Amino acid sequence: DGGITQSPKYLFRKEGQNVTLSCEQNLNHDAMYWYRQDPGQGLRLIYYSQIVNDFQKGDIAEGYSVSREKKESFPLTVTSAQKNPTAFYLCASSITNRGFNNEQFFGPGTRLTVL
Amino acid sequence: GNSVTQMEGPVTLSEEAFLTINCTYTATGYPSLFWYVQYPGEGLQLLLKATKADDKGSNKGFEATYRKETTSFHLEKGSVQVSDSAVYFCALTLGGGTASKLTFGTGTRLQVTL
Repeated sequence: DGGITQSPKYLFRKEGQNVTLSCEQNLNHDAMYWYRQDPGQGLRLIYYSQIVNDFQKGDIAEGYSVSREKKESFPLTVTSAQKNPTAFYLCASSITNRGFNNEQFFGPGTRLTVL
Repeated sequence: GNSVTQMEGPVTLSEEAFLTINCTYTATGYPSLFWYVQYPGEGLQLLLKATKADDKGSNKGFEATYRKETTSFHLEKGSVQVSDSAVYFCALTLGGGTASKLTFGTGTRLQVTL
C-alpha cells in the first residue's frame, strides 16, 4: 500500500532537548512538507522540499531544521530554540508535475509533548 | 497575501440535518481549492477539490462549488451522519510545476448527534 508514515505517534521530551520526527513516503512524490497544528488553529507550514537536497522555509521555520537526503524521507528536528514545541506535527507529500492540482497527501501525525 | 476564512465552529447538528460550512478565500491568481477532513487523533484526508471556476467537487455526499465571483467554496451535505463528526479544513494552493504550499483556514468542528 502506498502512503505516508510518521513515527512515533506520540513523543515526549524534556525541555531543552532536540527531537527528530520521522516522515517516510512510498508514493514517489517529489515534494514533501511539514506542518504544525495547534488546538483550534489551522495548519501552519514549517518547511517544504521540492526535490532531494533542497528545502525552503515555510511560515514558522524558526526553531526547526530539516534534511532531504532521500526522496522518500523528510525528517524534522525540533530544536531547543523552538519556544513552544508542544503540538501535533503533520507531514505531507505531493507530485509537482505542471497541470496537476498539487493535492497533498498527509501522514497520520506525531503528537509531541515537551515536559 | 493568500488567505482562507472559514465559519467558526463548533457546528452541532442532528443526524440527517443539512450541513453548510462557509469558506471564502483571498488569492493572487487562480487557486485550486480543497476541503480536507480530520478525524480525532488522525492526519488530514482530502474530501474534495476543484481546480477552476464553476467546478463542483463531490465525495461521500459532500459537495462544494468553486465560485470565483464570490471567492467562495462552501461545503454542503444534504443529510449528515454521526460518522461525519470531524474537523473540516478549507484550503487553497496556487501551485503548478513546483511544490505548492497549502494555505488553510482555521478549521470548523462538526458534531453530529442522534
